[in-house]
Amino acid sequence: DAGVIQSPRHEVTEMGQEVTLRCKPISGHNSLFWYRQTMMRGLELLIYFNNNVPIDDSGMPEDRFSAKMPNASFSTLKIQPSEPRDSAVYFCASSTLGGELFFGEGSRLTVL
Amino acid sequence: AQSVTQPDIHITVSEGASLELRCNYSYGATPYLFWYVQSPGQGLQLLLKYFSGDTLVQGIKGFEAEFKRSQSSFNLRKPSVHWSDAAEYFCAVGGRSGGYQKVTFGTGTKLQVIP
Repeated sequence: DAGVIQSPRHEVTEMGQEVTLRCKPISGHNSLFWYRQTMMRGLELLIYFNNNVPIDDSGMPEDRFSAKMPNASFSTLKIQPSEPRDSAVYFCASSTLGGELFFGEGSRLTVL
Repeated sequence: AQSVTQPDIHITVSEGASLELRCNYSYGATPYLFWYVQSPGQGLQLLLKYFSGDTLVQGIKGFEAEFKRSQSSFNLRKPSVHWSDAAEYFCAVGGRSGGYQKVTFGTGTKLQVIP
C-alpha cells in the first residue's frame, strides 16, 4: 500500500512567486496534518484537517499561507507570495482518528 | 496546552553501548505518546507508541520506551546501539479532545554513533 505522497520533492522559486505543495494521504485515513520543519523552529504544526474540514489552523504563520482539502484523497498548501523565510521542509502526514501519524517524504522549499 | 521537552539536543554514543533519550511531556489528560525517527532527507518513521495498558512498550529496531505518569516522561531506550541508528529522534504527544486530535512534537535529539 502506498504511503503518504507529496509533491514536489524539491522546489526552488523566487521571492514573490506562488508556491503550491500537494499531498495525497493514505486511503482510509481521515485526519491530515501539514507540518513545517526548520533548523530554528523544529517541527511546527501548520494546520490539521479532520474529514476534509480544517479543525485547527492556528499554526498557519500568516495570510500568505492557505490550505485546502477538497476531498479525502488530496490536499494543498499554498504560499502566495512566497518569501525567503518560508524556506523549509514541509511535511504532510495522515492518520486515522487517534492513531499514529504517517509522514510523507516532505517537500523541500527554497525561496531565493 | 500540550508540549514536549527533549532536553538533549545532541547525544554521542559508541557503537554497542546502551542508549537512553529523554522526553518529558505536558498534557491535561492521559496522553498518546510517540517516538519517531528521521534519517537525513527522509520523513519521520514511527518507532513506537503508547496509548494505554502496559507502560513499557516495544518498538521496531530493538527500541523500547517506558511511560512514567508520575514523572511525565516517556524515555526511549536501546540496549545496544548500531551505527545505523544514527539519526534524529522526536518524541511527540497527542490526544483526542472533542473528537479531534492534535500531535505536538519535541525539538528532537540528534544521535551520533561512533565506532
